[in-house]
Amino acid sequence: QKEVEQNSGPLSVPEGAIASLNCTYSDRGSQSFFWYRQYSGKSPELIMSIYSNGDKEDGRFTAQLNKASQYVSLLIRDSQPSDSATYLCAVSPNTGNQFYFGTGTSLTVIP
Amino acid sequence: DVKVTQSSRYLVKRTGEKVFLECVQDMDHENMFWYRQDPGLGLRLIYFSYDVKMKEKGDIPEGYSVSREKKERFSLILESASTNQTSMYLCASSLSGTEQYFGPGTRLTVT
Repeated sequence: QKEVEQNSGPLSVPEGAIASLNCTYSDRGSQSFFWYRQYSGKSPELIMSIYSNGDKEDGRFTAQLNKASQYVSLLIRDSQPSDSATYLCAVSPNTGNQFYFGTGTSLTVIP
Repeated sequence: DVKVTQSSRYLVKRTGEKVFLECVQDMDHENMFWYRQDPGLGLRLIYFSYDVKMKEKGDIPEGYSVSREKKERFSLILESASTNQTSMYLCASSLSGTEQYFGPGTRLTVT
């Protein structure tokens, strides 16, 4: 079983819609959770971090964490064509400094 | 802002050559990481370091070595480059337990 699983997509949404990206993880002791955006040919860029259960909002982005279900999601409101990218979920376990990354979900926002 | 730089954006080497990839960060981060990223396989950890002169193997260390003589610099060495090491190489750094910041990446082609 992979440490972090994401639906690889591709996910297509029309401009202005809400994009919902999901991630599950296997280590129940995980403490820190991150979402990265990666444009084609570029390196991953951190967009959200979340450490406690519930929602965390930053502009058009909302991260949601449910530790009991071992589930973290990213909502993108009012999706724009510039949001078209691959989104990587990363999880940091309770001990150590290593991250576990999902393989990413490809999002396309259609104008 | 955190800045992670990598010595080359694009590199072409011949089979059997020794290859050095350099990474420098300017935020006094303890942890530094080397990943490779291949289509469909996601980010795979090669090595990481949590202190000067300290290193830990990641998931795919075979054929690679690393060096960390100064806190800000982490080098990845391909002892004898092979065609299956053609990939995007990404360096990252972090403080303990916090988000990782990535450099721009080096796209290495081994012919």
